[in-house]
Amino acid sequence: DQQVKQNSPSLSVQEGRISILNCDYTNSMFDYFLWYKKYPAEGPTFLISISSIKDKNEDGRFTVFLNKSAKHLSLHIVPSQPGDSAVYFCAASDGGYQKVTFGTGTKLQVIP
Amino acid sequence: NAGVMQNPRHLVRRRGQEARLRCSPMKGHSHVYWYRQLPEEGLKFMVYLQKENIIDESGMPKERFSAEFPKEGPSILRIQQVVRGDSAAYFCASSIDTVSPLHFGNGTRLTVT
Repeated sequence: DQQVKQNSPSLSVQEGRISILNCDYTNSMFDYFLWYKKYPAEGPTFLISISSIKDKNEDGRFTVFLNKSAKHLSLHIVPSQPGDSAVYFCAASDGGYQKVTFGTGTKLQVIP
Repeated sequence: NAGVMQNPRHLVRRRGQEARLRCSPMKGHSHVYWYRQLPEEGLKFMVYLQKENIIDESGMPKERFSAEFPKEGPSILRIQQVVRGDSAAYFCASSIDTVSPLHFGNGTRLTVT
């Protein structure tokens, strides 16, 4: 049972344009949502998070949007840079950051 | 670099052997988590430990797998009598408390031949 779903395994975007990565979840008990970025042969790196009491959180070029009624969140990267090329994992938890459920990831390629 | 340190980076074991994976958390972090990533899948939670205590092992297979985080030394994930299906990347993460994001190590890639 995949409680966190990233339906797009890959995405290609031109440098300077916006990257939009999507994520859906099924467990209504989730109240923390996170995005992690992962380069090959490295561990995931925390990028940005949002709690269920908010619908938007921004950090520099990265913005996460949460639509609780649709059980959907998205990560916007603008402008996209070649260094953003990585696998992005959406993750969620119910009460804190410890036991996090990850999606299967979306591989982003930013083309120079 | 005071990040989460995992060793070895790569581990090859024959079926039936034991695998020991080590994790040293970031300095000052007393919460340790183990996750497993099977090919083409996301990371799956295995176990959450604090010093000398297992807090949540709901993601651990009931047999052959065990974890510890002793008072002194690294956390150890132990897999006895490995099978081919245990081949995966095993990631350790640590946090300073229960409300901070996890910091992951670079993982141990276990291959069972």
